[in-house]
Amino acid sequence: GAGVSQSPSNKVTEKGKDVELRCDPISGHTALYWYRQSLGQGLEFLIYFQGNSAPDKSGLPSDRFSAERTGGSVSTLTIQRTQQEDSAVYLCASSEVGLAGAEWETQYFGPGTRLLVL
Amino acid sequence: SQELEQSPQSLIVQEGKNLTINCTSSKTLYGLYWYKQKYGEGLIFLMMLQKGGEEKSHEKITAKLDEKKQQSSLHITASQPSHAGIYLCGAEPYSGTYKYIFGTGTRLKVLA
Repeated sequence: GAGVSQSPSNKVTEKGKDVELRCDPISGHTALYWYRQSLGQGLEFLIYFQGNSAPDKSGLPSDRFSAERTGGSVSTLTIQRTQQEDSAVYLCASSEVGLAGAEWETQYFGPGTRLLVL
Repeated sequence: SQELEQSPQSLIVQEGKNLTINCTSSKTLYGLYWYKQKYGEGLIFLMMLQKGGEEKSHEKITAKLDEKKQQSSLHITASQPSHAGIYLCGAEPYSGTYKYIFGTGTRLKVLA
């Protein structure tokens, strides 16, 4: 079946512009996760959704970052007034039940969106 | 397509025992990352290895990358229940793209 998809695959923007990143999780997966991987660093957990709710938003780097999920499916990560330090690969993952459910659940990752802020 | 193979898929050990998790690629890697997923949290970055033969340690966890940069091992000394979780290796292929690949994960349970 179809895996997690993300769009766009690449995004180049100018400093100060807003960007919107999209994630389509695997159909039927309740949980959705956003991560960021900056150059030379590991994955950084940003936020996770259980259905349409985000129990913990503390991973978002600043108030310029926001995320929403509608219909328990598609999620968008919005970065307002982008800065050069926002340049990174943004990864989305989904899992069947989520952190509040099965202990040994596998997360399925999308291919990522590479964001470059000039 | 390039893949990362992780072994074992699952592991149950008695508290205090040592254990090793392996991550193998068919091709040379640019960077190799180890993560842990603990219940109630998202993926947590443990460490990154980039140089052939590199070894890094954090508390009781040691990760090594072989000289060919195709295999990495994660070793936990004197395991504790707090080490339980899913360990995931991820890598940046040497192809020059940013398309990160991930292993299938190793589920670790530590019995008290």
